[in-house]
Amino acid sequence: EVQLVQSGAEVKKPGESLRISCEGSGYIFTDYWLAWVRQTPGKGLEWVGSLYPGDSDVRYGPSFQGQVTISADKSTNTAYLQWGSLKASDTATYYCAKIRQLPPHNWFDSWGQGTLVTVSS
Amino acid sequence: DIQMTQSPSSLSASVGDTVTITCRASQNIRRYLNWYQHKPGKAPDLLIYGASILEGGAPSRFSGTGSGTDFSLIISGLQPEDFATYFCQQAYTNEYTFGQGTTLQIK
Repeated sequence: EVQLVQSGAEVKKPGESLRISCEGSGYIFTDYWLAWVRQTPGKGLEWVGSLYPGDSDVRYGPSFQGQVTISADKSTNTAYLQWGSLKASDTATYYCAKIRQLPPHNWFDSWGQGTLVTVSS
Repeated sequence: DIQMTQSPSSLSASVGDTVTITCRASQNIRRYLNWYQHKPGKAPDLLIYGASILEGGAPSRFSGTGSGTDFSLIISGLQPEDFATYFCQQAYTNEYTFGQGTTLQIK
């Protein structure tokens, strides 16, 4: 069974750094793209970026380029989403999701349970 | 980027009803449109990919139609477990974008 298990909720202050994680199991971690998605009440779901753990190819959404870093550790089947300096506007629930590709289609076939990040002074 | 406009934002219906949720893309995305169901506190579940292809574990009361810019998710014969939030996603480009979501509530 495919599972994506995310790290727990975080409460941080503006300016602090943070790294959240997503551990995959039940599939070959390096063979599938993995996406990060942000959910907020105001903007709904937004694609943050995608990572191919096999070669560490990373793509970022236009609103997130330069704001976050996506990476992975193949030895632990874990993907990361990282901020160097958090802002209040980063407050959201973040999901990781495994991307399934069946050409020409692709979709998010498994999702993590979400990590709530709260940034407040 | 491709904008996805979903409507309605919320919907009240009764068990047994048939409901339709629509999603409009800002440009032609052919049939690269996915639908998901999301319940509070749980991970989203894929229902339909490729605009109309039912995911293996999804009930047959869910169906999807459309191509180009206009798409619909139809739920025929609502069941109690169907009351949830539904959202569409375009997969025409790898810069995925989502609809704002439709919350389906019990009337």
